[in-house]
Amino acid sequence: NAGVMQNPRHLVRRRGQEARLRCSPMKGHSHVYWYRQLPEEGLKFMVYLQKENIIDESGMPKERFSAEFPKEGPSILRIQQVVRGDSAAYFCASSLRQGVLAETQYFGPGTRLLVL
Amino acid sequence: EDKVVQSPLSLVVHEGDTVTLNCSYEVTNFRSLLWYKQEKKAPTFLFMLTSSGIEKKSGRLSSILDKKELFSILNITATQTGDSAIYLCAGLGPLGTYKYIFGTGTRLKVLA
Repeated sequence: NAGVMQNPRHLVRRRGQEARLRCSPMKGHSHVYWYRQLPEEGLKFMVYLQKENIIDESGMPKERFSAEFPKEGPSILRIQQVVRGDSAAYFCASSLRQGVLAETQYFGPGTRLLVL
Repeated sequence: EDKVVQSPLSLVVHEGDTVTLNCSYEVTNFRSLLWYKQEKKAPTFLFMLTSSGIEKKSGRLSSILDKKELFSILNITATQTGDSAIYLCAGLGPLGTYKYIFGTGTRLKVLA
């Protein structure tokens, strides 16, 4: 059973370009979470999605950032008009479900975004 | 604001030593605490703790939660160079919330 897959693993963009980060959850998982990790900081929650639905985007910057999880295909985190401050590692996690019991989130290897 | 604080920030030990990593939390309507090991790739799940005073063990690693004092510790005995990593602690709030609140991690380096 493949784990959470993310691509690309490394992405270099110039200021003003767009960055698209992809995440395929573990087989059977329908809940996807995106986190951002800045250098020397902990992981910060960005958004939680189920298929075709954004459940919680309270951690997403108000501008330039968007996320989707279509019925078919991977979840995509999109950053428009990137700035240097967007340089970070972006991790995706997935879980089987959300319910009364806390559900373990399994993380992908991350995409390291560098904005020049 | 909810927060998770880990200490020490970094630690260097020799193979065979025992280490204790600390995690304190302030999470509204706390539900569970999780430990992850992060090497140069995906954070990998170690433990989930929901009940106070019950130790969880996996090989040389063990962890316990104290819900009264709001902290958890992760113990690693007989450390090996392969234990070198960043150890992350995360708190989870009440039912209906999904976001883990992560600490900044403890960077452990085990010397041969």
